[in-house]
Amino acid sequence: DAGVIQSPRHEVTEMGQEVTLRCKPISGHNSLFWYRQTMMRGLELLIYFNNNVPIDDSGMPEDRFSAKMPNASFSTLKIQPSEPRDSAVYFCASSLGTVRDFSYNEQFFGPGTRLTVL
Amino acid sequence: AQKITQTQPGMFVQEKEAVTLDCTYDTSDPSYGLFWYKQPSSGEMIFLIYQGSYDQQNATEGRYSLNFQKARKSANLVISASQLGDSAMYFCAIRHTGNQFYFGTGTSLTVIP
Repeated sequence: DAGVIQSPRHEVTEMGQEVTLRCKPISGHNSLFWYRQTMMRGLELLIYFNNNVPIDDSGMPEDRFSAKMPNASFSTLKIQPSEPRDSAVYFCASSLGTVRDFSYNEQFFGPGTRLTVL
Repeated sequence: AQKITQTQPGMFVQEKEAVTLDCTYDTSDPSYGLFWYKQPSSGEMIFLIYQGSYDQQNATEGRYSLNFQKARKSANLVISASQLGDSAMYFCAIRHTGNQFYFGTGTSLTVIP
């Protein structure tokens, strides 16, 4: 299995531009998570999906951030307009499991997208 | 509120020695899982070990073991025979019913030759 795939791996953009981060989860996984990691705030959960449905988006910083999961094999995280304080590493992770399922299922992380907003 | 606390921002250990990384958690759920992840300087997150709240025995995976004390709500990671490649950030996380993970702030481990 190729693991969780994220693209791009690095993104440098200017303030005000739209940024789209992409994620392909591991085939068969039904949960997908978007995280943001910074030195100041650590690893923050932004949003997670279960069976393509957003379950909890309380971590999304503000309306400039949006996430979609149109099908089981693809998700996007969009920032519009981007700001310098959005600079971070954005991780996508996937796992098996459902909202009511309590079995052992670790998260598998993608390599991350390092975003720099100038 | 469910949360994870890692009180050691940085730790040092001599090569070949054992080291314990602390993790305490707060949850009202009777069912939960505890995970440890390693993040080397290259940035990827690597799953290390898992402990379920109903597991009777402490989890072990090679040189990693989890010292699970349910009454104290602690799930410390023990790395035996430290190697230089163990130098990394280590994150403790908890998963509840609802499938949501909460991560701690991490501990930076440096293995000294």
